[in-house]
Amino acid sequence: DAKTTQPNSMESNEEEPVHLPCNHSTISGTDYIHWYRQLPSQGPEYVIHGLTSNVNNRMASLAIAEDRKSSTLILHRATLRDAAVYYCIPFNGGATNKLIFGTGTLLAVQP
Amino acid sequence: GAGVSQSPRYKVAKRGQDVALRCDPISGHVSLFWYQQALGQGPEFLTYFQNEAQLDKSGLPSDRFFAERPEGSVSTLKIQRTQQEDSAVYLCASSLIRWEYSREFTDTQYFGPGTRLTVL
Repeated sequence: DAKTTQPNSMESNEEEPVHLPCNHSTISGTDYIHWYRQLPSQGPEYVIHGLTSNVNNRMASLAIAEDRKSSTLILHRATLRDAAVYYCIPFNGGATNKLIFGTGTLLAVQP
Repeated sequence: GAGVSQSPRYKVAKRGQDVALRCDPISGHVSLFWYQQALGQGPEFLTYFQNEAQLDKSGLPSDRFFAERPEGSVSTLKIQRTQQEDSAVYLCASSLIRWEYSREFTDTQYFGPGTRLTVL
C-alpha cells in the first residue's frame, strides 16, 4: 500500500484559496488519488479523485504532479463549512476496495 | 435520497458486555464496509461485504468482533465481552458497485455518521 505524507494541520481565512498538499512517492501506476474529508462528528465524505490529469468538480480541484508522487487539493474559496480533516488516499480497488486512511490534515478556517 | 444510517449513535457499555451496532446502507448498494476510528486517528478498515458475502475480515482486531449481513442489506457489527480498548467510533460505508465491474471508475464510498462506543 502506498504511504502518504500530509501536514498535520493548516489554517486559512474565509473566502481565500487553500492548497492542501499530499506526498505519495510510493504510489503505483494503477492507483487513483482519492481525497475524502471528515467534518466534525460526521463520517468521511468523498471530495474528488484523479489518476493523471488535473480534475475539477463543484467541491474542489485536484492538481496531480507529472510524476504522480504528489498532489494538491485546492479549495478555491474556503468557507467555515470546509473546516475538516482532509485525507489523501491512493486507491486502486484491489480485492476489497478498502480505503486506507492516514491521519490527514486538519484544516481550520478563520472568519 | 436517504444516506447511510447507523444506530445507535452513542453507546455506553460496561466492560464485559456485548454490543450490537447496526448499519443501514444506501438502498441497492452492493458493497458494505465497517471501519473503526480511534480518537485523533483516521478510520481503519475492519471488514467488507459484497452483498451477503463477507469477503474480507482481515481488519477485525480479535475474535470478539463479528459482523454479518444476512440478506445483503442491513449489517450488524457485534462486539463480545467489550474491553476499554474497543472504545472508538465505528463507521459504516456503502458503495454501489464493485471495482472489478468498473475499472475506469473508482467507486465512491458513502459513510454513515458513526456509532461512538464508550466502554467503561
